[in-house]
Amino acid sequence: AQSVSQHNHHVILSEAASLELGCNYSYGGTVNLFWYVQYPGQHLQLLLKYFSGDPLVKGIKGFEAEFIKSKFSFNLRKPSVQWSDTAEYFCASRNDYKLSFGAGTTVTVRA
Amino acid sequence: EPEVTQTPSHQVTQMGQEVILRCVPISNHLYFYWYRQILGQKVEFLVSFYNNEISEKSEIFDDQFSVERPDGSNFTLKIRSTKLEDSAMYFCASSGQGTGYTFGSGTRLTVV
Repeated sequence: AQSVSQHNHHVILSEAASLELGCNYSYGGTVNLFWYVQYPGQHLQLLLKYFSGDPLVKGIKGFEAEFIKSKFSFNLRKPSVQWSDTAEYFCASRNDYKLSFGAGTTVTVRA
Repeated sequence: EPEVTQTPSHQVTQMGQEVILRCVPISNHLYFYWYRQILGQKVEFLVSFYNNEISEKSEIFDDQFSVERPDGSNFTLKIRSTKLEDSAMYFCASSGQGTGYTFGSGTRLTVV
């Protein structure tokens, strides 16, 4: 079954800095990959997803992710973060009909 | 935009008591799920439900857990005899054919 791993546990950066969060997936056939965000005290929200096609995926709130098959990676990026991007970010892959989540990366943006 | 609704938002229960967490999935979705997130840990899959039966469950989903879709709209998770380690945020989710997953806002279960 496919799984994902996230490299960074906690990232701290200043407003307007660029953000990149790493996610690697294990080989497991068909690739369905997701990035979710969880703002403090709130539920999981889908940022973007990749099933097939253009490997550069645009999501909501200015986020994008690039699927690089040769590196088994699906890193999340945002060119210029805001204080409101402070949240926990989860990479996930789909196995059959369930999602398997990475451990999550806490992002703290300082004003 | 359609939402997955969960009630209650927070439940406190005594160890050994039964709890039922309720979810109303999106009406035209066919697949239903429960996940949980223990504080400070990652989101874990518990169970998926399709066509009125469990399609997959994790090791966490032992005999203390059960799910039901009693009336065609609600999707419930029952924990028969709660333990301290069941304290977590429980998320319901639903999905349809070719659609993504929509998560509810979660129920925070605290077992004391």
